[in-house]
Amino acid sequence: NAGVMQNPRHLVRRRGQEARLRCSPMKGHSHVYWYRQLPEEGLKFMVYLQKENIIDESGMPKERFSAEFPKEGPSILRIQQVVRGDSAAYFCASSPVGGLSGELFFGEGSRLTVL
Amino acid sequence: KQEVTQIPAALSVPEGENLVLNCSFTDSAIYNLQWFRQDPGKGLTSLLLIQSSQREQTSGRLNASLDKSSGRSTLYIAASQPGDSATYLCAVRVQGAQKLVFGQGTRLTINP
Repeated sequence: NAGVMQNPRHLVRRRGQEARLRCSPMKGHSHVYWYRQLPEEGLKFMVYLQKENIIDESGMPKERFSAEFPKEGPSILRIQQVVRGDSAAYFCASSPVGGLSGELFFGEGSRLTVL
Repeated sequence: KQEVTQIPAALSVPEGENLVLNCSFTDSAIYNLQWFRQDPGKGLTSLLLIQSSQREQTSGRLNASLDKSSGRSTLYIAASQPGDSATYLCAVRVQGAQKLVFGQGTRLTINP
């Protein structure tokens, strides 16, 4: 049973380009969470999604960031017109149905560097 | 607003010692508390999950306790090994929300 799969593991973008980060949850998990870890800072919640629904996006920056979790395929975190301050590690986590009291399982992360 | 604090920020001990990592949170209205390990440049590995109704959980050399009323959790590591060197993160699942709120972590170094 594969864990949470994230790709790419490393991504380099120039300012103004777009970054797309993908996350495939563990088999049987329908809840996906995205977190960001800035250099020398803790992990901060960004967004929580279920299939085809954004449930909580209270941690998402108001502009340039969007997330989706389509019926088929991985969850995507999209960052438009990246800036240097977007350089960070972006982690995806998943939990099974009814995950309020459940355990979260994290992927290896995607490390974005903006030049 | 829930805040999670981990003390100390860094800890270095000789191999074989037993040690305790501390985590405190400001709001006792939580679903659960989870301890993770993070190796440099890697993802998070779940170590232990304690539900709000539980007092402790054990896995091998690890034991985590939860005192919800006082807003504290501890992670006890017995007979530490160099392979235990990593950053240990504590996170609480906030009631009324699905998200985890993380502490800043404790960077643990076990010296051979």
